[in-house]
Amino acid sequence: AQSVTQPDIHITVSEGASLELRCNYSYGATPYLFWYVQSPGQGLQLLLKYFSGDTLVQGIKGFEAEFKRSQSSFNLRKPSVHWSDAAEYFCAVVQGAGSYQLTFGKGTKLSVIP
Amino acid sequence: KAGVTQTPRYLIKTRGQQVTLSCSPISGHRSVSWYQQTPGQGLQFLFEYFSETQRNKGNFPGRFSGRQFSNSRSEMNVSTLELGDSALYLCASSLVDRGRGTEAFFGQGTRLTVV
Repeated sequence: AQSVTQPDIHITVSEGASLELRCNYSYGATPYLFWYVQSPGQGLQLLLKYFSGDTLVQGIKGFEAEFKRSQSSFNLRKPSVHWSDAAEYFCAVVQGAGSYQLTFGKGTKLSVIP
Repeated sequence: KAGVTQTPRYLIKTRGQQVTLSCSPISGHRSVSWYQQTPGQGLQFLFEYFSETQRNKGNFPGRFSGRQFSNSRSEMNVSTLELGDSALYLCASSLVDRGRGTEAFFGQGTRLTVV
């Protein structure tokens, strides 16, 4: 069965610092990969997705992620964090074409120090 | 274009009661999925509907059920509520593109509290 691991439960960064959130997946074929963000009490907002092609994908709010097949990773990055980025971030995988079932990691909570 | 709409936003129910949650997908989206989010278990897949048919189901007891209508709107029902059913229930809709999965767009969720 596919699985997603987010090793960091909680990360604290200073405003203006760079950010990298880690995500590793377990799946035999090429997965569809996603990063979502959730503010307290809210739903999930899609930041970016990877289906195929260029392994570096750009998303909203200045986020990007890189798919590395050899490491089974899809890490999320942002060069300069803003206080409004404080939220919980979820990495997710879908089995591929024809599947609509997302498997999520446990999430990484991001705190930003002003 | 309106997003995914879930109603109600908040619910308080008593153990043993049943509850029905509603989800209206983005216009044109025919796939609707439901997820349960709890602090302990995280986000877990409940089921997915497409063209009024349940295509996938997660590992939840039969007390959890759902349906989809011809206009793609979906409802989920939980019978004989237990305290452990307290959670944020999220609905997501997806566009079906030539049979391939696309990204899921989520609603704001329904916060269910069982007392």
